[in-house]
Amino acid sequence: QVQLQESGPGLVKPSQTLSLTCIVSGGSITSRGYYWSWIRQHPGKGLEWIGYIYYNARTYYNPSLKSRVTISVDTFKNQFSLKLNSVTAADTAVYYCARVGVGGSGWYDWFDPWGLGTLVTVSS
Amino acid sequence: QSVLTQPPSASGTPGQRVTISCSGSSSNIGSNSVNWYQQLPGTAPKLLIRSDNERPSGVPDRFSGSKSGTSASLAISGLQSEDEADYFCAAWDVSLNGHVVFGGGTKLTVL
Repeated sequence: QVQLQESGPGLVKPSQTLSLTCIVSGGSITSRGYYWSWIRQHPGKGLEWIGYIYYNARTYYNPSLKSRVTISVDTFKNQFSLKLNSVTAADTAVYYCARVGVGGSGWYDWFDPWGLGTLVTVSS
Repeated sequence: QSVLTQPPSASGTPGQRVTISCSGSSSNIGSNSVNWYQQLPGTAPKLLIRSDNERPSGVPDRFSGSKSGTSASLAISGLQSEDEADYFCAAWDVSLNGHVVFGGGTKLTVL
């Protein structure tokens, strides 16, 4: 079955760019009918959707983060990536990647499966 | 401040039936389907219910979802100790060009 694994630095300095990659295994990132998403969870808090991408590079972003976020896809490596620039301590969180399926309303809105998550701390 | 509102905590005893509510608005739950996630301590969230009331393969039928108007509910019957976890609701919101919104989560304690 499809599995996802996040990778990237666990520590990023303020004002710099957070960069993470999600490697997809057990299935192709070009599978029709699925988007690929990033979601984060601040320590002890709820979940926040960051955005998602289709294999053809079509993207949707959270309006609250859109000015700082770029999600890209590499179909040859079967992976997709997140870049979040100008980070502050408020961006400290566990970052998850997940596959996204289409729900009953026609929007891509359910996440399954998820990666294990990776903690990124923003600190000097 | 989460767009979808959930009670911060809920509890029940083994065997009991518990429900967790999720309140939204016309731009999210009122016009789109709701999904529920279970997050066991120290692990990633897991899809529990999608499209209001569909259970993915492998999810026990003790878990069920429902929706009415701008609110949704997750019901867990025959509560078990391993159900102690955080539960999150989520939905697509059509405002601001569209985005996924989550509830703040409900911590379920099995007494």
